[in-house]
Order: sequence, then structure tokens, then C-alpha cells
Amino acid sequence: DSGVTQTPKHLITATGQRVTLRCSPRSGDLSVYWYQQSLDQGLQFLIQYYNGEERAKGNILERFSAQQFPDLHSELNLSSLELGDSALYFCASSSGRTQYFGPGTRLLVL
Amino acid sequence: AQSVTQPDIHITVSEGASLELRCNYSYGATPYLFWYVQSPGQGLQLLLKYFSGDTLVQGIKGFEAEFKRSQSSFNLRKPSVHWSDAAEYFCAVGDGGATNKLIFGTGTLLAVQP
Repeated sequence: DSGVTQTPKHLITATGQRVTLRCSPRSGDLSVYWYQQSLDQGLQFLIQYYNGEERAKGNILERFSAQQFPDLHSELNLSSLELGDSALYFCASSSGRTQYFGPGTRLLVL
Repeated sequence: AQSVTQPDIHITVSEGASLELRCNYSYGATPYLFWYVQSPGQGLQLLLKYFSGDTLVQGIKGFEAEFKRSQSSFNLRKPSVHWSDAAEYFCAVGDGGATNKLIFGTGTLLAVQP
């Protein structure tokens, strides 16, 4: 158990819908990262927050957004969902160079 | 740009045999290197990491990896594979900047034969 929690574990929704994925980092970690794992793109970095502030953006679509709250939990919002957004979404947290990953949220868009 | 290559998409070994998974990276400075394992339906578990110092690093579950700067490699090894090692293995490099985002290889799927 990494200490990083993600909810929900599975999510099934329809195209055009909006969903929110939630992540709670390990106790004391200020950095939260979001990654997407798909069959065609592999594991790709989406976005990083540090202590409530956005620090870096990767290959994140404009339809996607994230935030980190004062209690350091983070949410990833995915809107206008398309079939191609179906993937496993991971959250990771760190207090240094090492990132610890949560179990992921598996999103299926039908 | 930084990149990670895992040349072997799929490897099958017999239980008790030795294992070596290859990883090559492209990075301008001293890299921060990681190996993660993903079991079916599970998240990514950190096996080991290299930041500096001794180029042979030990990890969990009996795994080790050796950093070879001259070959830009960070291969993962295990002397005797167990059936429970069947999983997908990912090599990653941290970009070392303020973000420290991870760049992952495409993964190697390990199957273990009885």
C-alpha cells in the first residue's frame, strides 16, 4: 500500500459527459501528479500540483483540468468525454524525487 | 528531449531462471532512474531507484538494477524468478527539473512459466 488513495476505482460513463477523479496523497506529500495510461499512448504525464499551485503541464487536453485543495487532495476533471479518453488514470504523490502511485481509476467511456 | 526505451515488449522465463529487463534512457544530465511494477489490475509499485552513488542498487522483492552511464542503461535483474513476478515492468526517468515529472518506457510484460 503506497498510502495514495484514489476514488472511484472504476467509472463508466457516456460520451459528452463530465467526470471527476479524486486523489488523496500520502501524508506530508505536497506534490501531486496525474498520469494517463492508455494502450496507444502508454503512461503519460498530465499535470502536477505543488501545495495548491499548478507546477507543470504535460500532454493534458484543454477539456481536462485539475486542482489541489488546501487539504492537499486533488481532483482531475474530465469533460466532453470522448471514446478515446477511456484509460487508467493514476495519481502519484511525492515529497522529493520519488513518486508513489495510487491504485488508479479505470475510466470507460461508452 | 528525455526518453526511455524498453526494447523488449514481452519476455517469458521459467520459474527459477534468472531475469534481465533492459532499459535505455536519453537524458542530458545525471538522470534519476526508477523501475516500477504493475500487476494485473493494480497500480504502480516502486521497485527501486537510482539518484547517485553506487551504480548497483537493490530493491524490493529481490530485484536489483545497474546504472551504466557509458551505455545509458539501467537494466533490472533478478537471479531467480518466482511465479508471482509475472507483471508488467516500467522503467522511468525523472526530468530532474522543478517538476520532476516521470517519463516512462513502454513497459515489458513478463510471463513466468512453471
